[in-house]
Amino acid sequence: EAGVTQFPSHSVIEKGQTVTLRCDPISGHDNLYWYRRVMGKEIKFLLHFVKESKQDESGMPNNRFLAERTGGTYSTLKVQPAELEDSGVYFCASSQEWGGNGYTFGSGTRLTVV
Amino acid sequence: QKEVEQNSGPLSVPEGAIASLNCTYSDRVSQSFFWYRQYSGKSPELIMSIYSNGDKEDGRFTAQLNKASQYVSLLIRDSQPSDSATYLCAVNLLDSSYKLIFGSGTRLLVRP
Repeated sequence: EAGVTQFPSHSVIEKGQTVTLRCDPISGHDNLYWYRRVMGKEIKFLLHFVKESKQDESGMPNNRFLAERTGGTYSTLKVQPAELEDSGVYFCASSQEWGGNGYTFGSGTRLTVV
Repeated sequence: QKEVEQNSGPLSVPEGAIASLNCTYSDRVSQSFFWYRQYSGKSPELIMSIYSNGDKEDGRFTAQLNKASQYVSLLIRDSQPSDSATYLCAVNLLDSSYKLIFGSGTRLLVRP
């Protein structure tokens, strides 16, 4: 079974540019989550999809961040325009169950905004 | 106050020793508790989950939960150099059971 796939693994962009991160969850997992770890701090929740619907986007920092999950399969997270404080590692996870158990995380995208 | 607190370490133990990792959480209603291991540049990997007070053992790992003291710990027996990683404590809240709240992690170094 393929795991959660994220790409790119690394991205370096200039302040003001746009970046799109992609996550392919485990096939059949309806629940998809985005988290990020900024500047060595703790990993923080961004949002949760159930299939194509946003269940909870309370962790999204501001309206420069847009997440989509068209067709309930892969998801994208777009940052536009990127700011220096957006630098960090963005993790995607998926699960079959509604709940913390059974999460499988991707290896993350390291975003550096210069 | 952070919702989940961990000592950042590093915690250094000799090979074969017991490593004890600790985590405290705030007084919000927490339902489930998890320990993840993360090697540098890799994804967090779930190694233990615990839901009720007491101990839960799985191989060399034992998770201990004390809800009255708002405390969860992870013991690693017979520590190996391959156990060197960052250990993340995470909790689920009853009112948002799909969301994990993470601590900042404890870095463990096992010396050969």
